[in-house]
Amino acid sequence: EVQLVESGGGLVQPGGSLRLSCAASGFTFSSYAMSWVRQTPGKGLEWVSAISGSGGTTYYADSLKGRITISRDNSKNTLYLQMNSLRAEDTAVYYCAKGTSRGTYYNLDYWGQGTLVTVSS
Amino acid sequence: QTVVTQEPSLTVSPGGTVTLTCASSTGAVTSGYYPNWFQQKPGQAPRALIYSTSNKHSWTPARFSGSLLGGKAALTLSGVQPEDEAEYYCLLYYGGAQLFGGGTKLTVL
Repeated sequence: EVQLVESGGGLVQPGGSLRLSCAASGFTFSSYAMSWVRQTPGKGLEWVSAISGSGGTTYYADSLKGRITISRDNSKNTLYLQMNSLRAEDTAVYYCAKGTSRGTYYNLDYWGQGTLVTVSS
Repeated sequence: QTVVTQEPSLTVSPGGTVTLTCASSTGAVTSGYYPNWFQQKPGQAPRALIYSTSNKHSWTPARFSGSLLGGKAALTLSGVQPEDEAEYYCLLYYGGAQLFGGGTKLTVL
């Protein structure tokens, strides 16, 4: 059974940093691209970033480029999202999602339950 | 700035058929945009329904189908069930980045 479990969310002050993790199980992690998607409370979904199965190729939303870094540790079956210079508008539930193949990050199948990031003083 | 547009809300009767659409401000949506469709119910994570325009996941009910229609991506629900009441989002690929539509709130009434 595919499972994706996000962690690392919480309350952070504006300008602060946070690293989110997504622990994967139930599939060969290194064989699949992975993505991060966020959802502002009560609003729609926003694609954030994606990474190939090997970790060698990354993609970012223009609005977040320069403040976030996606990475993965295939030996630990874990996906990461490093977020810096956080702003109030970054407050959201952050989901990780699995791609349907190693390079195909643009098709998503399984999603985690999300972790809430709150940016506030 | 590229925008992906969906109907904000639609209402359908149980047993009826409804089509949700997904348009791109860049022009006609083609298979190269690899349209994905997701369903989200309150308090839950999104659930994938359709990928690459018309492909269903193993768990996608047969009454859901995806297509291209009039320059847009489309999600058609045939024989709508009360449990289909939810928010539906499309996702389009732009050769690197991806964009979600604003979502369609589907009411079954």
